[in-house]
Amino acid sequence: NAGVTQTPKFRVLKTGQSMTLLCAQDMNHEYMYWYRQDPGMGLRLIHYSVGEGTTAKGEVPDGYNVSRLKKQNFLLGLESAAPSQTSVYFCASSYILKTGELFFGEGSRLTVL
Amino acid sequence: QKEVEQDPGPLSVPEGAIVSLNCTYSNSAFQYFMWYRQYSRKGPELLMYTYSSGNKEDGRFTAQVDKSSKYISLFIRDSQPSDSATYLCAMSRFIIQGAQKLVFGQGTRLTINP
Repeated sequence: NAGVTQTPKFRVLKTGQSMTLLCAQDMNHEYMYWYRQDPGMGLRLIHYSVGEGTTAKGEVPDGYNVSRLKKQNFLLGLESAAPSQTSVYFCASSYILKTGELFFGEGSRLTVL
Repeated sequence: QKEVEQDPGPLSVPEGAIVSLNCTYSNSAFQYFMWYRQYSRKGPELLMYTYSSGNKEDGRFTAQVDKSSKYISLFIRDSQPSDSATYLCAMSRFIIQGAQKLVFGQGTRLTINP
């Protein structure tokens, strides 16, 4: 049972390039989330999804887009990467109404030069 | 003002010590209170959660919530080197269709020295 899997784990981009981070979960969770983690800032919610075909903005959505075409996958896209998007990105998933428990992936470390 | 404040540390204590980690918050809408543990280069994992004021114990760990003071704590007894990690407090409220918005503290990096 893999849980939440993120690919790629590491990536270096140049300013203006685009890329997609893939998150896959095998726990049949309805809800999925993308967070970014920066020193001194904690984890901040970028976008989330409450089910297949739905997405919504979190607290720091600018510069990112997401898609949830299949229940088990949640994609995070950067159309034109900027140095301010250098961060560690975490995907998470949760059961419906399961209080407090998010299951996180191991993170994707992105550097934008 | 951040919704959740957590002292980032770092905190370094000898093995066997009692560790106290703390967070304060400003939003009374938070309903659930959690502690996550994050090992280096890994994702956070839920350690404990509670939804009411008072104490909750799980082995060597005790979570304490004081809603009147908007203050939560995590105590670790008989600390072990394997407890060395970053500890993040988190608080949640429901946003839509049962999905939760978790607001995390900055995390406290803890090192237990053998």
